[in-house]
Amino acid sequence: DTGVSQDPRHKITKRGQNVTFRCDPISEHNRLYWYRQTLGQGPEFLTYFQNEAQLEKSRLLSDRFSAERPKGSFSTLEIQRTEQGDSAMYLCASSLNAGETQYFGPGTRLLVL
Amino acid sequence: GENVEQHPSTLSVQEGDSAVIKCTYSDSASNYFPWYKQELGKGPQLIIDIRSNVGEKKDQRIAVTLNKTAKHFSLHITETQPEDSAVYFCAASPLGSARQLTFGSGTQLTVLP
Repeated sequence: DTGVSQDPRHKITKRGQNVTFRCDPISEHNRLYWYRQTLGQGPEFLTYFQNEAQLEKSRLLSDRFSAERPKGSFSTLEIQRTEQGDSAMYLCASSLNAGETQYFGPGTRLLVL
Repeated sequence: GENVEQHPSTLSVQEGDSAVIKCTYSDSASNYFPWYKQELGKGPQLIIDIRSNVGEKKDQRIAVTLNKTAKHFSLHITETQPEDSAVYFCAASPLGSARQLTFGSGTQLTVLP
């Protein structure tokens, strides 16, 4: 257990529905990252926060995706109008500061039917 | 952007033998190279990392070597045990504000008893 928690661990939804995932980073970690991992591949960067500010988004993050970290602690990732191509493991990681070790949570596995 | 290639994609070794996984990266500005172990249904777990001012780092049965000139780095596991069986990912982190990780495609290591 790295100290990063994610909820839910699994989510099955129908195409077109909205889903929201939560990540609780290690306490006092200023940086929070979201990655997406598809079967047989390494994680791919989606976005990151420095405290409550979202500072960069990958081109993988379409307009249907939105992420927040309202008080610089936990973060949420919402996917609107889900598509079958959104099926993946969504991973959250946190680090104390930039360039420090990133600790990953267990992930949320999303299946869109 | 950064591109990381990882080989081999699968590796089987007898218990007690050594295992070597190799990665190359494209961005000469990358300066941080972690290795993660991922077990089925879990998030990636950091096992060792190395920064570009160091050529080699060891932690018990695990070692990582870095060749900045050739832009490649390797993971060495000695005296392998069945519990070492997992998917291993290398990653590189370029300079810049995001410091996101770019991952290789993974190596499925199987240690045969």
